[in-house]
Amino acid sequence: GENVEQHPSTLSVQEGDSAVIKCTYSDSASNYFPWYKQELGKRPQLIIDIRSNVGEKKDQRIAVTLNKTAKHFSLHITETQPEDSAVYFCAASFSGGYNKLIFGAGTRLAVHP
Amino acid sequence: DTAVSQTPKYLVTQMGNDKSIKCEQNLGHDTMYWYKQDSKKFLKIMFSYNNKELIINETVPNRFSPKSPDKAHLNLHINSLELGDSAVYFCASSQVGGVGTNEQYFGPGTRLTVT
Repeated sequence: GENVEQHPSTLSVQEGDSAVIKCTYSDSASNYFPWYKQELGKRPQLIIDIRSNVGEKKDQRIAVTLNKTAKHFSLHITETQPEDSAVYFCAASFSGGYNKLIFGAGTRLAVHP
Repeated sequence: DTAVSQTPKYLVTQMGNDKSIKCEQNLGHDTMYWYKQDSKKFLKIMFSYNNKELIINETVPNRFSPKSPDKAHLNLHINSLELGDSAVYFCASSQVGGVGTNEQYFGPGTRLTVT
């Protein structure tokens, strides 16, 4: 079935440390993998995405890696700051077109000063 | 300018009532979505319309009925509200056809509380 698993559910780091969140997906035809950040009481906002023809993408302190064979993708945040504290969601597109996204359960990241 | 807007932001109502949530996007996108985010923050797709045509219809009670009068608007009507309908409902839009990037832009959400 259509499933995206996300780990860990909570992550606590010290400011300046790195944070890694991992996801696995079930549909080998998935070709689009966005990551969203949701602050308390706010809307989910896209922070980075990757397509299946790319293995890695970086944007300043954020990077995403994709292993299509293993159906894994990960979010890496370096030099974490207190304002990185939020819930992070991974998602994968599922076959059938029209950009149907299935979301992971979310990771609550807390960055302590 | 707000890209994706929803009204109302908060909705408190009693069980058994009927209510509607409205969504509008000014991004010129061809596809719009409704998501439900429950108390555990889980985000689940409910419906999607592409150019006013229903294309995604997940396992949702038929008390929920989406309507898209044009491709910039997507409304959600809920009949006979139940306690379990309490959640935050997010509208989103994306450009799927042509040179769309597939990025989904979310609205601010409507927090529905059923008492």
